Amino acid sequence: KQEVTQIPAALSVPEGENLVLNCSFTDSAIYNLQWFRQDPGKGLTSLLLIQSSQREQTSGRLNASLDKSSGRSTLYIAASQPGDSATYLCAAPLGANSKLTFGKGITLSVRP
Amino acid sequence: EAGVTQSPTHLIKTRGQQATLRCSPISGHTSVYWYQQALGLGLQFLLWYDEGEERNRGNFPPRFSGRQFPNYSSELNVNALELEDSALYLCASSPMGHYEQYFGPGTRLTVT
Repeated sequence: KQEVTQIPAALSVPEGENLVLNCSFTDSAIYNLQWFRQDPGKGLTSLLLIQSSQREQTSGRLNASLDKSSGRSTLYIAASQPGDSATYLCAAPLGANSKLTFGKGITLSVRP
Repeated sequence: EAGVTQSPTHLIKTRGQQATLRCSPISGHTSVYWYQQALGLGLQFLLWYDEGEERNRGNFPPRFSGRQFPNYSSELNVNALELEDSALYLCASSPMGHYEQYFGPGTRLTVT
């Protein structure tokens, strides 16, 4: 059974800081790992998808890495802005059944 | 290209009633997934439909059911509503054989 953990549950940083959000998973036999953003009361916005054969993906100020051997993924946010304030979730599908197992998310607050 | 759409946005029901939630996937996507996000419990996988068939089911009672129509849209039905069914219900879609999931805005179900 796959378990996905995100610690800490909340993070507050000043604007402009570079930050790293961590995600760990127990079963390394993942097909990929997705990072999502969720604004309060809203649906999920896909930020980055890393295939199991890849080490990292980049989109603008975001960079996600994947280390299957250690069961870890990180989401790096450069030069954080107040608009980055949201909950960030990681999720991984295990095997061919395609359901995503989610972490509980990290609620990020970027202070102006 | 239109994203995943869900209706209604909000739904208020009383305990014991039935609720029907609807989801339209992105054009060309054949798989539809349903997730429940209850306060404090994180995102939990409910159901996965592909090509009209139920492919996988999460750890939910049988009163949670659904179906997928020939046009790949989907319905989630929750019978005999209980207070703890109050949650944000998210629908996601993906192309066949592809694991990246795209989420809709969700339906907020409140059971009183």
